[in-house]
Amino acid sequence: EPEVTQTPSHQVTQMGQEVILRCVPISNHLYFYWYRQILGQKVEFLVSFYNNEISEKSEIFDDQFSVERPDGSNFTLKIRSTKLEDSAMYFCASGTGDQPQHFGDGTRLSIL
Amino acid sequence: AQKITQTQPGMFVQEKEAVTLDCTYDTSDPSYGLFWYKQPSSGEMIFLIYQGSYDQQNATEGRYSLNFQKARKSANLVISASQLGDSAMYFCAMRVLPNTGNQFYFGTGTSLTVIP
Repeated sequence: EPEVTQTPSHQVTQMGQEVILRCVPISNHLYFYWYRQILGQKVEFLVSFYNNEISEKSEIFDDQFSVERPDGSNFTLKIRSTKLEDSAMYFCASGTGDQPQHFGDGTRLSIL
Repeated sequence: AQKITQTQPGMFVQEKEAVTLDCTYDTSDPSYGLFWYKQPSSGEMIFLIYQGSYDQQNATEGRYSLNFQKARKSANLVISASQLGDSAMYFCAMRVLPNTGNQFYFGTGTSLTVIP
C-alpha cells in the first residue's frame, strides 16, 4: 500500500539555524499538509497546499515557515530561524480532498 | 469555529473487553467528516475509521465502529475485543468541507491502556 514518507526521522538543530523537513506524499494525492505535535499535546494544523500554492494556514505558520513542492514529488517544510519552541513532531499528510488524510511517520525536531 | 473535544485523557480496559472513547465536535458547517487516528508510542498516526456527516449508517472497520449521533454532535469510537496492541493514544479529528483548506482539527486525545 502506498504511504507518505518523511525524512529525516529525527533532526537535531541548533537554535537559530534553518531546517528543512522533507516529505514524499502519495503519488496520486493532490492535497498536502503539515501538522505539528508538541510532546504530549494534540496535533495542530500548520498549512495545507493544493495546486502549487498554500490553500490554508494557521496562526502558527508565521513568516519563519515556508513550504515548497520543488520537483513534483517532494513537499518540504522550511523553518528559517528555529526557536526552542519549534521542538515538536512534524507530520506530513496527503489526501485526495474527500478521503482520509494519510500521515507520514513524522520527523522529530529537537532544537538545542 | 470548528472544535473537537475529547474529555477522557486516559482510559483503561481489560483485554477482550469493549471500550468507548468519547468525542464531541462543534461546527456550523453541514458538510464535514469525522476521523479517528491511533498514535502508538512510536509516534506515527494510523488512520482507523471515517464517518461523513451525510452518512446514514455508522461506520465500521473490523473491530472499530463509530457511534455517530449527529443531533448530539458526538462521534464516539468503539473498540470491541480489545487487544494489548490497542494500547495507544487515540485522536478524534474533524474536517470541514471543502473550502477551508481541508485541514483537520484534532482533539487532545485519549490514552488507552489495555490490561492483560
